[in-house]
Amino acid sequence: DADVTQTPRNRITKTGKRIMLECSQTKGHDRMYWYRQDPGLGLRLIYYSFDVKDINKGEISDGYSVSRQAQAKFSLSLESAIPNQTALYFCATSRTGGLYTGELFFGEGSRLTVL
Amino acid sequence: DQQVKQNSPSLSVQEGRISILNCDYTNSMFDYFLWYKKYPAEGPTFLISISSIKDKNEDGRFTVFLNKSAKHLSLHIVPSQPGDSAVYFCAAMTSGTYKYIFGTGTRLKVLA
Repeated sequence: DADVTQTPRNRITKTGKRIMLECSQTKGHDRMYWYRQDPGLGLRLIYYSFDVKDINKGEISDGYSVSRQAQAKFSLSLESAIPNQTALYFCATSRTGGLYTGELFFGEGSRLTVL
Repeated sequence: DQQVKQNSPSLSVQEGRISILNCDYTNSMFDYFLWYKKYPAEGPTFLISISSIKDKNEDGRFTVFLNKSAKHLSLHIVPSQPGDSAVYFCAAMTSGTYKYIFGTGTRLKVLA
């Protein structure tokens, strides 16, 4: 089983609809991240969280919101989806303390298409 | 404003030869750098990292070089294997922020 699980893996929706992408992890990591991948633009940081009470905006947070429901869960919402939010979305986690390598652990991605 | 740039969208290399992937950054506060590999339909996976206190880090076939004065890093893969064909992302961070900024990616194709 994956340590970082994203649901849904694929979603097609219409402009104006509310969409939630969910991420859960069993790694026990404190830090969680949401990125989107677009062709030619790489991975861009949307939001990140260091614990349940700590939420930070990334490079491209407009049009998105997040919720850290528990240490293991971090959800990304699009309140009113628009076509240019069509992308591949990744959740990632990172550990704190110990032997820190800076490694991010990614989920398998959620492909979102907004028509 | 792209703080981390990978100017080569794609690269083709013969099996057994060296692959060199390049990455440039603009933020002088970045002091920790990472490379990730991504296969289709999978999430990126960590390859190797380097702190700004070093100029080189090796792990098997993978070596990362950091040139702080030029704000440039490169990933060398020797020898290249067909299984190395993937998209490679570099990422940068300022220590203590844990805010990872990624580049645009380079698609490597290793030809058998």
